[in-house]
Amino acid sequence: DVKVTQSSRYLVKRTGEKVFLECVQDMDHENMFWYRQDPGLGLRLIYFSYDVKMKEKGDIPEGYSVSREKKERFSLILESASTNQTSMYLCASSPPTSGKGNEQFFGPGTRLTVL
Amino acid sequence: GEDVEQSLFLSVREGDSSVINCTYTDSSSTYLYWYKQEPGAGLQLLTYIFSNMDMKQDQRLTVLLNKKDKHLSLRIADTQTGDSAIYFCAVRSGGYQKVTFGIGTKLQVIP
Repeated sequence: DVKVTQSSRYLVKRTGEKVFLECVQDMDHENMFWYRQDPGLGLRLIYFSYDVKMKEKGDIPEGYSVSREKKERFSLILESASTNQTSMYLCASSPPTSGKGNEQFFGPGTRLTVL
Repeated sequence: GEDVEQSLFLSVREGDSSVINCTYTDSSSTYLYWYKQEPGAGLQLLTYIFSNMDMKQDQRLTVLLNKKDKHLSLRIADTQTGDSAIYFCAVRSGGYQKVTFGIGTKLQVIP
């Protein structure tokens, strides 16, 4: 059974703290993604990675960075958390381009609150 | 870039059909998806359609694609209370892995 896990379901941090969100997939997928989900805004892509040590900016990368040192793990880093980064963060992975639709498999999400 | 739009909310009675609509802007879109998100969970793929298809049926789900109008719809027949969730339309363009999601339509099923 395919699985994407995220390190925490709920996280509370203070403004200015450095925050690490971890995502691990067990499907040997090349592609991994970080989204944030906000009411009325849907899912917005922060960063994605198509291979180890490779990363691409998504639509809203400001204030975030990522790390992909191993194929199965993709980390999202908030260097200095701010209250406007309070959100639900979703990680996803997908196989390389194929004829089968390239489904993205999502983790359960981390609800981050920055006080 | 791609823009994907869908309405925020839909309410139906149990046993009726639900139709969730979506419009997109990029005519070079290749794959179009419907994902379902239940409360407190991540998204799960319900179904997808390739851009050279007009329709796809999978049990209670029917996807219709009108490429001329850039309109995608998801019909759920015999809607059940367990179908209550947020439904996201998503579109992939060209050969890229990036997928653009709509804001999600919250489906409420009234018993």
